[in-house]
Amino acid sequence: LAKTTQPISMDSYEGQEVNITCSHNNIATNDYITWYQQFPSQGPRFIIQGYKTKVTNEVASLFIPADRKSSTLSLPRVSLSDTAVYYCLVGDRGSQGNLIFGKGTKLSVKP
Amino acid sequence: GAGVSQSPSNKVTEKGKDVELRCDPISGHTALYWYRQSLGQGLEFLIYFQGNSAPDKSGLPSDRFSAERTGGSVSTLTIQRTQQEDSAVYLCASSPTGLDTGELFFGEGSRLTVL
Repeated sequence: LAKTTQPISMDSYEGQEVNITCSHNNIATNDYITWYQQFPSQGPRFIIQGYKTKVTNEVASLFIPADRKSSTLSLPRVSLSDTAVYYCLVGDRGSQGNLIFGKGTKLSVKP
Repeated sequence: GAGVSQSPSNKVTEKGKDVELRCDPISGHTALYWYRQSLGQGLEFLIYFQGNSAPDKSGLPSDRFSAERTGGSVSTLTIQRTQQEDSAVYLCASSPTGLDTGELFFGEGSRLTVL
């Protein structure tokens, strides 16, 4: 399974756009990139998944360059409720097995 | 409820005692995962069940840890002779077969404190 590297923490203010970048230099051909969000005292929650280029849903956008060695989760106009830990995962969707979550990026949104 | 259910939500035990943590996955989900999360840390994979296949136990930290999944549904994680370093939140997740994203649906966890 490809290892991922992401910043330990980030700070932002309400209304700003936040971009969290994840490095995954050893991503395999069959691997997808998935992001989860975890609030305190809760289990992680799926946010978005992509393979290449750009994916957008009602919560976030995911940008993946052509070489797929990194990806950027973009949260538009964050609010205080977006304060959470964000995890980047890389793996084959067909064999999720022992997904590695890592320590994630702790995003703190300030008023 | 429609989500993954875990019990107990909180468990305080004394060092050396055995504990059992229960997970009720979402009905129909064939895959079930156990993770452990220590304070301020990421999720540590413990064990993975997929249908009737042999479980992937590669993440269990010692032979004091074991897990069962009966009838392809409910799972129990057992920790024998608990140690203080076992204190953590134990998270269970399930996932259906055939879901394109392979999304994991997590419960709210069981917080274990070993005194």
